[in-house]
Amino acid sequence: EDQVTQSPEALRLQEGESSSLNCSYTVSGLRGLFWYRQDPGKGPEFLFTLYSAGEEKEKERLKATLTKKESFLHITAPKPEDSATYLCAVQARGGSEKLVFGKGTKLTVNP
Amino acid sequence: DAGVIQSPRHEVTEMGQEVTLRCKPISGHNSLFWYRQTMMRGLELLIYFNNNVPIDDSGMPEDRFSAKMPNASFSTLKIQPSEPRDSAVYFCASSRFGNTDTQYFGPGTRLTVL
Repeated sequence: EDQVTQSPEALRLQEGESSSLNCSYTVSGLRGLFWYRQDPGKGPEFLFTLYSAGEEKEKERLKATLTKKESFLHITAPKPEDSATYLCAVQARGGSEKLVFGKGTKLTVNP
Repeated sequence: DAGVIQSPRHEVTEMGQEVTLRCKPISGHNSLFWYRQTMMRGLELLIYFNNNVPIDDSGMPEDRFSAKMPNASFSTLKIQPSEPRDSAVYFCASSRFGNTDTQYFGPGTRLTVL
């Protein structure tokens, strides 16, 4: 069974204090790994898709990386507006479009 | 372009009542997904459709849940009869199959069953 574990469950940072969120996964052949951001009371908002080990993608202060067992979301010099829950999901090879999500990391950035 | 549209945004009902949640996917998207989010279990896929055909309904918790997609621009998720444990946020998402498969989520329906 495909599984995604995210850590830590919650993270508090000071503005400007860089850190990383972890997403460990087990999947029967990875088709893609997805990162989403979710603000309170809203639906998840797509950030990145990674397809193969060694791949990296960046967007503003966020950079996502992928290995064969885990993905990291690096946040450089975060701002209060980066506060949100970050969700990781995997999609397996084989034709199914199903995403299996982790429970997320709730990030709070204090000014 | 308009994103995924869901209605209602909030629903409060009593145990035993029928609940119908509605979703309009992004125009041109041919896959539609229904998810449920709770604190305990996180975000879980209930069912998804491709070209209006149900493909995987293995996440539907029991026979009280049913979903339909009568055309490319509309889908419903029905719970009958509803129970307090069905209280959750229900999300609809859509994607254009074959184009990175990125799923775009709607704002969700917060369901409370008393």
